Amino acid sequence: AQSVTQPDIHITVSEGASLELRCNYSYGATPYLFWYVQSPGQGLQLLLKYFSGDTLVQGIKGFEAEFKRSQSSFNLRKPSVHWSDAAEYFCAVGPSWTNAGKSTFGDGTTLTVKP
Amino acid sequence: DTGVSQDPRHKITKRGQNVTFRCDPISEHNRLYWYRQTLGQGPEFLTYFQNEAQLEKSRLLSDRFSAERPKGSFSTLEIQRTEQGDSAMYLCASEGYSATATQYFGPGTRLTVL
Repeated sequence: AQSVTQPDIHITVSEGASLELRCNYSYGATPYLFWYVQSPGQGLQLLLKYFSGDTLVQGIKGFEAEFKRSQSSFNLRKPSVHWSDAAEYFCAVGPSWTNAGKSTFGDGTTLTVKP
Repeated sequence: DTGVSQDPRHKITKRGQNVTFRCDPISEHNRLYWYRQTLGQGPEFLTYFQNEAQLEKSRLLSDRFSAERPKGSFSTLEIQRTEQGDSAMYLCASEGYSATATQYFGPGTRLTVL
């Protein structure tokens, strides 16, 4: 069975500082990996996804993530955080045969940005 | 592309009542998913449709839950005899035909069962 662990429930960073959100997955085959962001009262928005190829993936809003198969990790990074990045972030893994469907999500990391 | 819409955005009901939620996916998308999200947790898969066919249901979906997508367009999720444990955010997502398709999520319906 597939599973996702986001070890950090809550992270606080200062505006302008760098950010790294951790994600570890468990999946038997090559995973389809996703990062989503959810702001209060909003649905989930896809930041980036990894299916194959280059293990460093660029996404929207200046985010990137690196797939490391040996560590079963897919950590999200941003070099300089903006106050508007404060939100909840979810990592997800989807079964390879059905693309993004039936994704299994982590429990999320809440990001607070200090001025 | 007007995005995925869900109606209502909020629903407060008394225990034992039936509720129905609607999801309108992006028009050209053939796959539609329902998820449930409780406080402090990520979304949990409930069920999904390819066109009008319901292809899979999670074990989370008890007999009190039923979902339909009658013409392969909008979908409804009905909960009968609601219980307090049903209080959650119900999210809908749609996905297109592409081999590397992406799910697009609606804003969700927040259900509160009193």
